[in-house]
Amino acid sequence: KAGVTQTPRYLIKTRGQQVTLSCSPISGHRSVSWYQQTPGQGLQFLFEYFSETQRNKGNFPGRFSGRQFSNSRSEMNVSTLELGDSALYLCASSPGLAGYNEQFFGPGTRLTVL
Amino acid sequence: QQQVKQSPQSLIVQKGGISIINCAYENTAFDYFPWYQQFPGKGPALLIAIRPDVSEKKEGRFTISFNKSAKQFSLHIMDSQPGDSATYFCAASSRVTGGGNKLTFGTGTQLKVEL
Repeated sequence: KAGVTQTPRYLIKTRGQQVTLSCSPISGHRSVSWYQQTPGQGLQFLFEYFSETQRNKGNFPGRFSGRQFSNSRSEMNVSTLELGDSALYLCASSPGLAGYNEQFFGPGTRLTVL
Repeated sequence: QQQVKQSPQSLIVQKGGISIINCAYENTAFDYFPWYQQFPGKGPALLIAIRPDVSEKKEGRFTISFNKSAKQFSLHIMDSQPGDSATYFCAASSRVTGGGNKLTFGTGTQLKVEL
């Protein structure tokens, strides 16, 4: 099975712009979660989507949003970019079954905000 | 509020030695504790996980020890190898309303295994 893929791998934007990141989960997985990884804050949960619905949400401002399509692919959008949004954005997929499922992470998208 | 505290921040171990990384949590609702390994340029990968109904779980050279009363858990890497050099994250999760789970991560430990 192919792993989790994220595009693009690297992105450079300027303050005030918006950005859309994409994640394709492992085939058959219905849950996609997004995490932000920074040296200062570590790995922080953004949100989880399951069957096209946001199922869980972390403590990030409304500038961070996401969606999931019927094929389980997910996109994350950040509007009005700030310098502090520079981070590695990781997507993780899991089957989404009842109970705890192993989350499989993609390689991430490195976002740099200038 | 940091709900999972991890130590040490960095660790240097000789080849063949034992690497020990510790984590402590505050939220008593946590009931799933995975450890992730991350190499540069890669996403984290699940190494081993434990539920609080057992005090220890071993998979190959990796062992999780869990102390529910102290709200602490640790990762032991036996016979550490240079290939184990990576960043290790502990995490915790609880069942959330509506299903699914979200992981709360520790701050990470950079392990270097020297020859």
